[in-house]
Amino acid sequence: DTAVSQTPKYLVTQMGNDKSIKCEQNLGHDTMYWYKQDSKKFLKIMFSYNNKELIINETVPNRFSPKSPDKAHLNLHINSLELGDSAVYFCASSQGPSGGYTFGSGTRLTVV
Amino acid sequence: GENVEQHPSTLSVQEGDSAVIKCTYSDSASNYFPWYKQELGKRPQLIIDIRSNVGEKKDQRIAVTLNKTAKHFSLHITETQPEDSAVYFCAAPHSGSARQLTFGSGTQLTVLP
Repeated sequence: DTAVSQTPKYLVTQMGNDKSIKCEQNLGHDTMYWYKQDSKKFLKIMFSYNNKELIINETVPNRFSPKSPDKAHLNLHINSLELGDSAVYFCASSQGPSGGYTFGSGTRLTVV
Repeated sequence: GENVEQHPSTLSVQEGDSAVIKCTYSDSASNYFPWYKQELGKRPQLIIDIRSNVGEKKDQRIAVTLNKTAKHFSLHITETQPEDSAVYFCAAPHSGSARQLTFGSGTQLTVLP
């Protein structure tokens, strides 16, 4: 039973395209996140979301938008993809404030 | 926001030796400090965490120490084994949101057989 699952695992697309990455968690956690991991391994918060609050990190371009159909899902939509968007994107979830994260397996996005 | 600094960026040790990774944070209100291990091509996984009401926590060969006054915390791995080779990340709550974590820049640990 995969606790946090992301699809697709790999995504190769051309500049200017719009793409989505899906994330689902079956842990009953109340908060979900998206992180971006660049080629130097830096893990940078993009969004956090629970049913009360969406927090967007100020450095995230508005081409990126999270969509949560229910508390078990947090999808990431990216418009007008750019070369610099190439990275590994990790979804994660946690329960309560200051709870440990469970990460998904990551989506390697390559923009060509 | 919270600023988390992690040192060293790379660390090589002989099998059986100890490894220590250090992090500092800027927000004195932070009260939760986890450590994650990321093996090559895999997801980060929580290996140990500490809350601000204790100064040390141990789990078999790994331990974490916290000095709230100095705003730093450290990961200690004893009797290192080749399977400990990975990137290790410290983290602290992002200012303004206890639910978000700010991660350190990572330490590539290599355990030499």
